[in-house]
Amino acid sequence: AQSVTQLGSHVSVSEGALVLLRCNYSSSVPPYLFWYVQYPNQGLQLLLKYTTGATLVKGINGFEAEFKKSETSFHLTKPSAHMSDAAEYFCAVTLWASGAGSYQLTFGKGTKLSVIP
Amino acid sequence: NAGVTQTPKFRVLKTGQSMTLLCAQDMNHEYMYWYRQDPGMGLRLIHYSVGEGTTAKGEVPDGYNVSRLKKQNFLLGLESAAPSQTSVYFCASSRGTIGEQFFGPGTRLTVL
Repeated sequence: AQSVTQLGSHVSVSEGALVLLRCNYSSSVPPYLFWYVQYPNQGLQLLLKYTTGATLVKGINGFEAEFKKSETSFHLTKPSAHMSDAAEYFCAVTLWASGAGSYQLTFGKGTKLSVIP
Repeated sequence: NAGVTQTPKFRVLKTGQSMTLLCAQDMNHEYMYWYRQDPGMGLRLIHYSVGEGTTAKGEVPDGYNVSRLKKQNFLLGLESAAPSQTSVYFCASSRGTIGEQFFGPGTRLTVL
């Protein structure tokens, strides 16, 4: 079955340190890829997306992600963490759902990012 | 534009009670979705709609029903609530199946 895997349900970084959140997917067809962020008690907000073209995608709040087809990965990075980055991050991939006969957005289980002062 | 709105924001039910969650979008999107979010489980698709008058089952449809009588509204119903349905429910909409989904703020439901 096609799936989206986020490595690490909880990641802690120090303020100012590099943020790296990992996402791998299984798909034989080049997908559309997304990262969403969820702040406490809020809905999901799009951080960035890859559809076609340049594989390094820049998003809001200084985040970026690189689509690596050979590694089936779409890891999210930010050079310097800020306290306001503390949130839960979801990777999502448009995968073919054979049961539905259409593409559907499949979410990873999420990674909660804590930023230590 | 309000985007995607959900009503109510919070609700507490007793086992066996029924309720309807309302989702509305003002972006003229064809596709609408209902998800539930539980700790450590990510978002799981309950039902979705590809247009007015159409609905389809997602990953976890049991115990829920939906209706899309108007393009801008997508209703999620619980006929007989169970404690296992305690969750945060999110509605989303999109222009197509492969693009970005826009999310509402969520409804926190507790079933006692």
